[in-house]
Amino acid sequence: DAKTTQPTSMDCAEGRAANLPCNHSTISGNEYVYWYRQIHSQGPQYIIHGLKNNETNEMASLIITEDRKSSTLILPHATLRDTAVYYCIVSYGQNFVFGPGTRLSVLP
Amino acid sequence: DAGVTQSPTHLIKTRGQQVTLRCSPKSGHDTVSWYQQALGQGPQFIFQYYEEEERQRGNFPDRFSGHQFPNYSSELNVNALLLGDSALYLCASSPLVPLTRNGHTDTQYFGPGTRLTVL
Repeated sequence: DAKTTQPTSMDCAEGRAANLPCNHSTISGNEYVYWYRQIHSQGPQYIIHGLKNNETNEMASLIITEDRKSSTLILPHATLRDTAVYYCIVSYGQNFVFGPGTRLSVLP
Repeated sequence: DAGVTQSPTHLIKTRGQQVTLRCSPKSGHDTVSWYQQALGQGPQFIFQYYEEEERQRGNFPDRFSGHQFPNYSSELNVNALLLGDSALYLCASSPLVPLTRNGHTDTQYFGPGTRLTVL
């Protein structure tokens, strides 16, 4: 079973920030938090990952709470092309256990 | 720099047949993992190959087997196909980072997948 829980779906207005939450209350000390997204029928696309500190790259920001029991993926200026299923995964040295993810719909 | 590639893109088979799917990892990656994704669900881990050996395996029957070649490319074989094997098959590659005795699999990069339909 997946070690994460995410909302089933979310909507976001185009141009606004999309904030996708993820709960991982049983995360172990050495497990990383990974985010991927999957646009219809394509392979999952890597977005970002982190261990303890907040991370930012050209695609998104990852905010991890101090107790590491939850995290938020932030897409700063969502576009229609960001419509996808977003997966939050916790893992160390093991292969990924995917949950159902969050279906993000970016609306014009 | 080529990413992960998979072939074929689509495949149609009938029940009882056998199928072979192929994967070439991203340049610099030596670990290959295979996942099965049924319609409307998240991907499920099948197995992982490193140094031409199966290192980890998910909850899949022996009908699912694999191979890794010296150039790190990999094949997934499925025998005695069932209707329920219809799915998107994903290959992911990563470098194995030897941070501990068991190693740590770094970020996985996925290929576009092979859509298998069993009739």
